[in-house]
Amino acid sequence: DTGVSQDPRHKITKRGQNVTFRCDPISEHNRLYWYRQTLGQGPEFLTYFQNEAQLEKSRLLSDRFSAERPKGSFSTLEIQRTEQGDSAMYLCASSLSRRGTDTQYFGPGTRLTVL
Amino acid sequence: AQSVTQPDIHITVSEGASLELRCNYSYGATPYLFWYVQSPGQGLQLLLKYFSGDTLVQGIKGFEAEFKRSQSSFNLRKPSVHWSDAAEYFCAVGGVNAGNMLTFGGGTRLMVKP
Repeated sequence: DTGVSQDPRHKITKRGQNVTFRCDPISEHNRLYWYRQTLGQGPEFLTYFQNEAQLEKSRLLSDRFSAERPKGSFSTLEIQRTEQGDSAMYLCASSLSRRGTDTQYFGPGTRLTVL
Repeated sequence: AQSVTQPDIHITVSEGASLELRCNYSYGATPYLFWYVQSPGQGLQLLLKYFSGDTLVQGIKGFEAEFKRSQSSFNLRKPSVHWSDAAEYFCAVGGVNAGNMLTFGGGTRLMVKP
């Protein structure tokens, strides 16, 4: 069990550029979640996948955001035309769902700074 | 809609003193409750969780939490705080109805005095 990994750990970009983040879940975990955390706040749910299916999306996830999980393994989160308000820590978590109870294990996060 | 309130934004305790961090939740069904800890610039580490059964749950690093349904609370406790416990602590609620997506409180920053 190597834990959830995220890449990159830090990303600095200019407003209007596109960025893509990657998350590798714990192997055999069938659920994968994305959260966003702004400074001084708790994480906020963005979206989640069960295997390759995206089952839920928050209203926070504007049209500029898209997430994929091809083949039900790693996931990518893309932000198009970044804005300064997108600056945040993007956290990925994975879990193995069992009878509705599952525990989410978080990665180290990707800190995005939009200049 | 589910929500979590952590009333204390900052708490300072002396090393060796006891600790209690408060968490109140709102959830329309049976809640699943979690405490996570976050060190600066890092991801979240799970301290403990409650799904059902015994309302007093034990976690890592000597932490425990008690689920009180009548008070909608899930307070975190530790009998003797160590300097390495200084961090941000988050309470979260989830449930099977919501795909177990978690709703987090705003966090409590713990500072430990020598």
